[in-house]
Amino acid sequence: KNQVEQSPQSLIILEGKNCTLQCNYTVSPFSNLRWYKQDTGRGPVSLTIMTFSENTKSNGRYTATLDADTKQSSLHITASQLSDSASYICVEIRLLGSYDKVIFGPGTSLSVIP
Amino acid sequence: NAGVTQTPKFRVLKTGQSMTLLCAQDMNHEYMYWYRQDPGMGLRLIHYSVGEGTTAKGEVPDGYNVSRLKKQNFLLGLESAAPSQTSVYFCASSYTRNTEAFFGQGTRLTVV
Repeated sequence: KNQVEQSPQSLIILEGKNCTLQCNYTVSPFSNLRWYKQDTGRGPVSLTIMTFSENTKSNGRYTATLDADTKQSSLHITASQLSDSASYICVEIRLLGSYDKVIFGPGTSLSVIP
Repeated sequence: NAGVTQTPKFRVLKTGQSMTLLCAQDMNHEYMYWYRQDPGMGLRLIHYSVGEGTTAKGEVPDGYNVSRLKKQNFLLGLESAAPSQTSVYFCASSYTRNTEAFFGQGTRLTVV
């Protein structure tokens, strides 16, 4: 069982609409929690990095939130564009002494259609 | 500024063959990582390096070896390829353990 779960698995929205992607993690506290965007056939690109003490972080039309009580993070995309079509990956990074354990979620596949 | 560059981009190997994947970064990053990405699963860490001359095992190191002889390069070797190693391999680098990681474009490897 993946210790970072994401929902929905896939999502289709109309251009211009907003959407919210969910990430559930299991361990607190953690070092940081990250959201990446991965276009088809390319490597992931960092969107946001949040430490355990932060509850929101924005990057343009992308806003990540964190609820440590429920162990949930959300990525909200505002005014979606066709170029937002991609896989969005939630990543939990746990400090283990000198080594960080990096747990990638399976991703949410977002399709933005005209 | 090229960022993180992986070579080759595609490769087909026969079972038992060996090969080396090269990752190069021009950002003077200390940390470098090799991941594999399989359908329906999150990326999994194979090996990583916290500086020139250092390497360490990640989550799925079996069947792979790595070397970091130069700070800018991180090599991933498959000594005897197996079909289970068919995957997309990504290299990444970061300045510190807590800063943004930059990924390469990926190498699609098929072992037949």
